[in-house]
Amino acid sequence: GAVVSQHPSWVICKSGTSVKIECRSLDFQATTMFWYRQFPKQSLMLMATSNEGSKATYEQGVEKDKFLINHASLTLSTLTVTSAHPEDSSFYICSARDPQLSQPQHFGDGTRLSIL
Amino acid sequence: KNQVEQSPQSLIILEGKNCTLQCNYTVSPFSNLRWYKQDTGRGPVSLTIMTFSENTKSNGRYTATLDADTKQSSLHITASQLSDSASYICVVSAQSGTYKYIFGTGTRLKVLA
Repeated sequence: GAVVSQHPSWVICKSGTSVKIECRSLDFQATTMFWYRQFPKQSLMLMATSNEGSKATYEQGVEKDKFLINHASLTLSTLTVTSAHPEDSSFYICSARDPQLSQPQHFGDGTRLSIL
Repeated sequence: KNQVEQSPQSLIILEGKNCTLQCNYTVSPFSNLRWYKQDTGRGPVSLTIMTFSENTKSNGRYTATLDADTKQSSLHITASQLSDSASYICVVSAQSGTYKYIFGTGTRLKVLA
């Protein structure tokens, strides 16, 4: 069964709206979670690394004020797309690392975000 | 620059046939290499993981090989099924404290009846 749950799976909203996406590790504690964005027919692109109890580390070119990440507990990280615009429409995927195993990544099923 | 390149970009085969997908990488220092299957609209699911010392790893009809000297990996799918239609992504992990994962662009496989 799924070990990483992502919610919601699909969001359609108006331009200017802020959207929050949740990523939960279901049966392990994840000190580190990763947020990716994937455009059609392209591979995943890492946006930021979310660390429990500390600030997220953003990849070059990713606006931290635009994509707010909160990792307040060992099982939950949230990504908030603030004042979303049509160009933010994409497939957002989170993953979590199980510290009990050797560098694994368990991926969520993604969130399809469509901004009108 | 750390890069992972996959070929072909897309592939169409008939059900029951075998196929091989390629992955070349320039990631250094190398930690491990994973193959993922990603169905449309879903998150990637791990198929195999190989470390530097492993040459081959099987998972049912999926067999991955790794040549760390030439920095090449392949994923062989035997007796393909319609459900194998998906994107297959090669992901290489660099040895570092941040556990950086470098993603390939993927191969889109379509299996036809």
